[in-house]
Amino acid sequence: GAGVSQSPRYKVAKRGQDVALRCDPISGHVSLFWYQQALGQGPEFLTYFQNEAQLDKSGLPSDRFFAERPEGSVSTLKIQRTQQEDSAVYLCASSFFMGPSNSYNEQFFGPGTRLTVL
Amino acid sequence: RKEVEQDPGPFNVPEGATVAFNCTYSNSASQSFFWYRQDCRKEPKLLMSVYSSGNEDGRFTAQLNRASQYISLLIRDSKLSDSATYLCVVNPVGANNLFFGTGTRLTVIP
Repeated sequence: GAGVSQSPRYKVAKRGQDVALRCDPISGHVSLFWYQQALGQGPEFLTYFQNEAQLDKSGLPSDRFFAERPEGSVSTLKIQRTQQEDSAVYLCASSFFMGPSNSYNEQFFGPGTRLTVL
Repeated sequence: RKEVEQDPGPFNVPEGATVAFNCTYSNSASQSFFWYRQDCRKEPKLLMSVYSSGNEDGRFTAQLNRASQYISLLIRDSKLSDSATYLCVVNPVGANNLFFGTGTRLTVIP
C-alpha cells in the first residue's frame, strides 16, 4: 500500500517568501506529526494532530509556522516570511493511533521536503 | 540538556566487525525506546524497539538500562548495507511525539 507522501520534495525560497508544504498520511491513520530535521541533527518535533484537532504545537519555533489538517487527512505546514534558519528537511509522519496516550503506535515517515531559504 | 544524547560518530568499521552505539535519555518517565535507521537523504525507518529485557533481531541486539537511563545497539558481523545513521529515539509517557538523538553515523568499509 501507499506510504506517507510529501510534496514538494524540494523547495527553494527567497528570504521573506511564504511556503506551504503538503503531507498525505497513510489512509486511515489518525495521528499526524510534523518534524524538522536540520543538517546533521535528528528530527525535532513541531506539531501533532489527532484527526483534525491540533493537540500539540509546542514545537513550532515561532508564530511564522502554522499547520492545519482541516478534514483529518491531508495536512499543510505553512511557513510565513521564511528565514535562512528555516532551511531544513520537514518530515511528516503518521500512525494509526487509537487508545490511551500511554500506548505507542509506530510512526511511519514520509520522504520529507527539503527547504532551502536563500 | 537535550532529551536524548548520543555520540554522533562517525564510526568507520571493516566488514564483519562488531560495533556498538550508546545513548542516554534525560526523562526518567520515558516509557518507549527505539532505534531508527536513516539512510542518506531518506526518511527515518524503525529498526527495532528496545525492551527492558533486551531484544535481538538477527545481527542486531538492543538493550535498555532504566536505572542508568541508557540504551544500546549492538551490530554483529557488519555488512556494507548497514552503512547509515542510527537514531536513538525515546517516547516519554503521556507524549505522542518522539524525541530523537542526533544520530550516529556508521560506515562499513569493504
